[in-house]
Amino acid sequence: DAGVIQSPRHEVTEMGQEVTLRCKPISGHDYLFWYRQTMMRGLELLIYFNNNVPIDDSGMPEDRFSAKMPNASFSTLKIQPSEPRDSAVYFCASSPGLEPDTQYFGPGTRLTVL
Amino acid sequence: DAKTTQPPSMDCAEGRAANLPCNHSTISGNEYVYWYRQIHSQGPQYIIHGLKNNETNEMASLIITEDRKSSTLILPHATLRDTAVYYCIVTGTYKYIFGTGTRLKVLA
Repeated sequence: DAGVIQSPRHEVTEMGQEVTLRCKPISGHDYLFWYRQTMMRGLELLIYFNNNVPIDDSGMPEDRFSAKMPNASFSTLKIQPSEPRDSAVYFCASSPGLEPDTQYFGPGTRLTVL
Repeated sequence: DAKTTQPPSMDCAEGRAANLPCNHSTISGNEYVYWYRQIHSQGPQYIIHGLKNNETNEMASLIITEDRKSSTLILPHATLRDTAVYYCIVTGTYKYIFGTGTRLKVLA
């Protein structure tokens, strides 16, 4: 298995632009998580899906952030409009269950908003 | 805020055991201790977890004190590839907070 796949690996955009991050989870994993990592706040859970349904989005910072999972093999995290404070590394993780030790993380997308 | 306290950095000679401490004095009875690591430019990787007993797997050993207020992650024979930031996390749910971790540097 190729593991969790994220694209792009790096994204540089200007303030106000729309940004879309993509994730392909490991096949057979029923849970998908989106995290954001910054030096100031560490790693934060933004949202997670179970069987393509969003379950807990309490970590989504603002209405500018939205996430979708149209099918079991694809998810997106969209920021519209983007702001410089959104600059961070965004990780996608998938797992067969909710237990933390079963989560497999992708390589992350480093987002820079100028 | 993270519920754990870790030293910011440690060095270890290659081939020697690396002992990484973690304080979690406010841990609750149903909370586990998890350890993850993050190698530069990669996503976090699960290492090991435990409730109150010591645990060992192919990557590491976890020693939890009897009062559960602290723990130690042991990498028995550190290699250069073990250079990473190691995070100690306490949680009873799927939600957890990564603190600043310990930056371990394995020296040749």
